[in-house]
Amino acid sequence: DTGVSQDPRHKITKRGQNVTFRCDPISEHNRLYWYRQTLGQGPEFLTYFQNEAQLEKSRLLSDRFSAERPKGSFSTLEIQRTEQGDSAMYLCASSSVFGSGNTIYFGEGSWLTVV
Amino acid sequence: AQSVTQLGSHVSVSEGALVLLRCNYSSSVPPYLFWYVQYPNQGLQLLLKYTSAATLVKGINGFEAEFKKSETSFHLTKPSAHMSDAAEYFCAVNPTGTASKLTFGTGTRLQVTL
Repeated sequence: DTGVSQDPRHKITKRGQNVTFRCDPISEHNRLYWYRQTLGQGPEFLTYFQNEAQLEKSRLLSDRFSAERPKGSFSTLEIQRTEQGDSAMYLCASSSVFGSGNTIYFGEGSWLTVV
Repeated sequence: AQSVTQLGSHVSVSEGALVLLRCNYSSSVPPYLFWYVQYPNQGLQLLLKYTSAATLVKGINGFEAEFKKSETSFHLTKPSAHMSDAAEYFCAVNPTGTASKLTFGTGTRLQVTL
C-alpha cells in the first residue's frame, strides 16, 4: 500500500494560466477528496467522489475549478485562469466506504504559487 | 452544521512536560472525531480517531484523546512532550461517520522547547 500520491508537489504559475493536479488514491479506496489549505488555516473541503461520481462540491469550488475521476481511480483537479488567491496547498485524500470506512488518508499535498 | 473549535492557535511546552491541545465540537448527530498532525510542508497524518467505541482513544506517538459528550470536547494529550512533537495539530469532525467529508478546526501549532 503506497499511500495517496499527488503530482506535482510544487507548481509556480503566472496569473491567468491553467494548472492541473493529479491524485492517485490508495488502491481500492472508492472515495476521493480534494481539500485546499492556506497558510495558517485548516484544510477546507472542495469536493469528493465515490467511484467516478462527484457527490458533493463546496461553494469554494468556483467555475474556474473542475475535478474529474473518469475511471474511478486517479483524479485530476484543474484550475483555469489562475488568480493569486488560488495560491494554496491542494490536498487529496481517500477512504473506503467498507471496513474502517470513516478513516480518511491524506497525500503530501500539491503547493500552488500564482505569481 | 458540524464544526470544531480549537482553543489556542499556539501552544508552547517544555520537553518532558504534559501536552494538552483543546478541541470542542458541535454536531447535531453523534460525531466521529479525529486528530491529525502536519509537519512542515507535508500532508496530514492521522494520530487517532473516536468512532463511538471507547471514549478514551490511544493513538500513535504516545498521544491519546478522551471523548466527553457532556463537555462536547475531544482534547488531545501526551504525558511527556518530545522535540519531535513540534508540528501543527488539527482536530476534525465527521458528522455522519460514513466516510463522508471531514470538517477541520483552524489548527494548533505546538512548540516544544528545551
